[in-house]
Amino acid sequence: EIVMTQSPGTLSVSPGERATLSCRASQSVNSNLAWYQQKPGQAPRLLIYRASTRATGVPAGFSGSGSGTEFTLTISSLQSEDFAVYYCQHYNNWPPVFGQGTKVEIK
Amino acid sequence: QVQLVQSGAEVKKPGASVKVSCKASGYTFTSYYIHWVRQAPGQGLEWLGIINPSGVSTSYAPRFQGRVTLTRDTSTSTVYMELSSLRSEDTAVFYCARADGSGAYYFDYWGQGTVVTVSS
Repeated sequence: EIVMTQSPGTLSVSPGERATLSCRASQSVNSNLAWYQQKPGQAPRLLIYRASTRATGVPAGFSGSGSGTEFTLTISSLQSEDFAVYYCQHYNNWPPVFGQGTKVEIK
Repeated sequence: QVQLVQSGAEVKKPGASVKVSCKASGYTFTSYYIHWVRQAPGQGLEWLGIINPSGVSTSYAPRFQGRVTLTRDTSTSTVYMELSSLRSEDTAVFYCARADGSGAYYFDYWGQGTVVTVSS
């Protein structure tokens, strides 16, 4: 089973600043990586799939990059509604595995 | 619009079983796989398994193999997740999620979640 490791565990950012979240896979997952946003008490929401494709309705301020084992989610200018926990997930092979999450909090 | 609506919260005793439903609407039920994901309190997301609503094929995460069973009822567009031999560590929110229509295992729509509490 592939292990997904996200860093940092918590990211403190001021509104309007840029946030960069990392996700590393223990072996190559090609571009088969998704990112989700989860707010307290809510189900996760798909943000990015295929490493860099934004899901329907996701603002352009969210972007994903990377391939192989190293991936990045960038939020260009944090808005109040963007403070949440973010998870990466590979789907390159079975079973799909999530990272442990990065919490983006207000600095 | 696509919706996945799950059944309500459950409280179970250790050793019991729980069965959670996930009713789909707004799309062709048999055209998209449904997955189940759980989230223990304050923890991350953990994949449990997948069912193909158009047939009988299922696949389960190794650590849940033998304890989890996914079934579906095409007449009501509903998928069911049953987890047996419950222990306190199974206390979690259980989500159903629809996989993208390409067959890839990422999830574009999620249910609202069902809280399962295991306590004596």
